[in-house]
Amino acid sequence: QVQLQQSGAELVKPGTSVKLSCKASGYTFTSNHMNWIKQTTGQGLEWIGIINPGSGGTSYNVKFKGKATLTVDKSSSTAFMQLSSLTPEDSAVYYCATEGAGWFAYWGQGTLVTVSS
Amino acid sequence: DIVLTQSPALAVSLGQRATISCRASQSVSISRYNLMHWYQQKPGQQPKLLIYRASNLASGIPARFSGSGSGTDFTLTINPVQADDIATYYCQQSRESPPTFGGGTKLELK
Repeated sequence: QVQLQQSGAELVKPGTSVKLSCKASGYTFTSNHMNWIKQTTGQGLEWIGIINPGSGGTSYNVKFKGKATLTVDKSSSTAFMQLSSLTPEDSAVYYCATEGAGWFAYWGQGTLVTVSS
Repeated sequence: DIVLTQSPALAVSLGQRATISCRASQSVSISRYNLMHWYQQKPGQQPKLLIYRASNLASGIPARFSGSGSGTDFTLTINPVQADDIATYYCQQSRESPPTFGGGTKLELK
């Protein structure tokens, strides 16, 4: 069965960066694009971007360009998202989710990022 | 971006029908495809896909869940509501990028 295992919670300082991981299993990693989604109480669910694990090609929500960078390691079936120049507004739960055909078929358990000095 | 509007909460009795609505700021249908999808999220858990393309039940989802609608107006129906269905429900469109979500409807017990 499809499983997406995300890395643990992060407490980071403003102005720094953090790299989150999402290890996929139960399917051929390069056969499905991977999305990243942000969830906050105030803004709800927001789509950050998508990566094609086969080619490394990416597409971002304009809102998150310059904030998020998506990469993959095909050898370990792991997707990564780096968030840079962190501010308290980046505090959220971040999910990875496999692409259906416009929908998000399977989700990781989420990674809580807290940005605080 | 396409804005999706949901009522914040809906109170329902166990065994009754729950109807959750989602309205889009512009049509999310292309030809015969209605590009609206529904998710369930319980506290402390990740969202789970329930319905894709407005009316297609995702794998493993009970038949008491159903979806309908086209254009700008969509509905998720749960009939009958069971205790395990108490959760927040989100709609999501894929007609235009970026994909966007509704604000969620919290299903509560009367």
